[in-house]
Amino acid sequence: NAGVTQTPKFQVLKTGQSMTLQCAQDMNHNSMYWYRQDPGMGLRLIYYSASEGTTDKGEVPNGYNVSRLNKREFSLRLESAAPSQTSVYFCASRLGQGLVTEAFFGQGTRLTVV
Amino acid sequence: AQSVSQHNHHVILSEAASLELGCNYSYGGTVNLFWYVQYPGQHLQLLLKYFSGDPLVKGIKGFEAEFIKSKFSFNLRKPSVQWSDTAEYFCAVNTGGFKTIFGAGTRLFVKA
Repeated sequence: NAGVTQTPKFQVLKTGQSMTLQCAQDMNHNSMYWYRQDPGMGLRLIYYSASEGTTDKGEVPNGYNVSRLNKREFSLRLESAAPSQTSVYFCASRLGQGLVTEAFFGQGTRLTVV
Repeated sequence: AQSVSQHNHHVILSEAASLELGCNYSYGGTVNLFWYVQYPGQHLQLLLKYFSGDPLVKGIKGFEAEFIKSKFSFNLRKPSVQWSDTAEYFCAVNTGGFKTIFGAGTRLFVKA
């Protein structure tokens, strides 16, 4: 049981390049989330998907797009990377379905945009 | 807008010292409260949670937290810290929807 798996773990991009961060969970959770973690700012929600087929903006969605490919997978895309997007990105999932439960997190992706 | 405040950004303690990390939230309705821990180089893990019932909740590794509704607080405590407790601690609040709001985190360093 792997839980939440993110790829890649590390990435360096040049300004303007694009990339997709992948996330998959094997816990049959309904809700999935993308956060970014910056020093002194905690975790900020970028986008979330309450259930398969739906996505919604979080606190800091600008510059990002997401796709809920199926119940297991939720990807985050940077179309044109900027230095301000240098951060650690975490994917998380929750059971959802109207119940409030704890979130399970992936190992994170450390992204540097130069 | 809902928010979560963690009062201390950095805390340094010696082993065996007692720990209390403050957390306050701004929301007048029913809340679900969490403390997560992030050990160096690792992902966030749940330390403890409060949904309802006894406001004093116990978590893993000897941690506990007390929900005080009148103070909008959910402080984390541990009577005696160990070097292995060195980590970053996040308080988080969910008000019943899909979003969970996280505090800025408190970095704890325990000196051996």
